[in-house]
Amino acid sequence: GAGVSQSPSNKVTEKGKDVELRCDPISGHTALYWYRQRLGQGLEFLIYFQGNSAPDKSGLPSDRFSAERTGESVSTLTIQRTQQEDSAVYLCASSPQGRLYNEQFFGPGTRLTVL
Amino acid sequence: GESVGLHLPTLSVQEGDNSIINCAYSNSASDYFIWYKQESGKGPQFIIDIRSNMDKRQGQRVTVLLNKTVKHLSLQIAATQPGDSAVYFCGDGRGSQGNLIFGKGTKLSVKP
Repeated sequence: GAGVSQSPSNKVTEKGKDVELRCDPISGHTALYWYRQRLGQGLEFLIYFQGNSAPDKSGLPSDRFSAERTGESVSTLTIQRTQQEDSAVYLCASSPQGRLYNEQFFGPGTRLTVL
Repeated sequence: GESVGLHLPTLSVQEGDNSIINCAYSNSASDYFIWYKQESGKGPQFIIDIRSNMDKRQGQRVTVLLNKTVKHLSLQIAATQPGDSAVYFCGDGRGSQGNLIFGKGTKLSVKP
């Protein structure tokens, strides 16, 4: 079956530009997560959606970062006025239920490079 | 928030040997622990999880051990194969929340 998909797979942008990253979770999964992974580093939690609401935005690094989810399906992570330190792989994951004790299924990620 | 740490950033083992990857956590309120494997250029893949009411759980060729007394988690891989070469992440979470906190990862290299 179809897994979590993300687009684009690679994005190169200039400093100061806005970017939008898309995540399509597994159909029926109510929970959706965004993580950031810098080169050679671990997974940094950004935001968690339960349905279309985000009960935990604690990981968003600044007000330049925002995310939304519609139709309890696709999610978009937007980074405004990108900076070079935003360069990373952005990973999306989904799980059947919002509470823990459930495996999170990860997408392949979007590699963002800010020049 | 709390972070999960790893004792070793890299681990090299001979094919066929057993591998042990260690992880420490700091929050005694954590009640769910998980291991993921990430191959180069791919997203993390679930390996095994364990709840705090257990101290051992076995999967196919993998075993996770949880020692709540010293807040230590380990992943044991039996008969390590070249396909096991990857970065392994441990993560912890609290049941009242929806997110996981991951460590930096341990890179496992399997020598033929």
